[in-house]
Amino acid sequence: DAKTTQPPSMDCAEGRAANLPCNHSTISGNEYVYWYRQIHSQGPQYIIHGLKNNETNEMASLIITEDRKSSTLILPHATLRDTAVYYCIVRVRDDKIIFGKGTRLHILP
Amino acid sequence: DGGITQSPKYLFRKEGQNVTLSCEQNLNHDAMYWYRQDPGQGLRLIYYSQIVNDFQKGDIAEGYSVSREKKESFPLTVTSAQKNPTAFYLCASTIGQNTYNEQFFGPGTRLTVL
Repeated sequence: DAKTTQPPSMDCAEGRAANLPCNHSTISGNEYVYWYRQIHSQGPQYIIHGLKNNETNEMASLIITEDRKSSTLILPHATLRDTAVYYCIVRVRDDKIIFGKGTRLHILP
Repeated sequence: DGGITQSPKYLFRKEGQNVTLSCEQNLNHDAMYWYRQDPGQGLRLIYYSQIVNDFQKGDIAEGYSVSREKKESFPLTVTSAQKNPTAFYLCASTIGQNTYNEQFFGPGTRLTVL
């Protein structure tokens, strides 16, 4: 079973920041938070991962709360191409990745 | 270009026939995975292999078989024992053990059993 809880869907206006929440209240100390996204009928694409500190790369930012029980993926300037299902995953090193149902993000023109 | 290839993109088979899905990677990754995705659902792990000539069952291995004779190849056979084989099948790979590195996914094969 997935160890995370995400809203089933969200809308965001094009050009605005998309903030996708994820709850992982049972996360343990050695588990990382990963985010992937899946555009329709394609394989999932890695976005970002982190342990405790906030992380940023060319695609997104990951904000993890101090107690690590939740996190937020931020797409700073959403475009229509960001329409996808976004998966939040927690895993330990070498552990298999378990995908939940994710959040279906709709970018509105 | 490095990457993972899956072929074919669409596959049709008659009920009762075995079918083998191809997955090849030229990323020199040690670990490879097979997932199944049903409409509106997340991915479920079928089998994975951390090293050549070794593989482990995932959460839904019944009705499937795999082999890992070469590092770059991890074919999946959907047997006639799989009750609901119609699905989207995804292959993935990671660099290897003892790593937090991300998985790279192939484009997927959509299998329809008639």
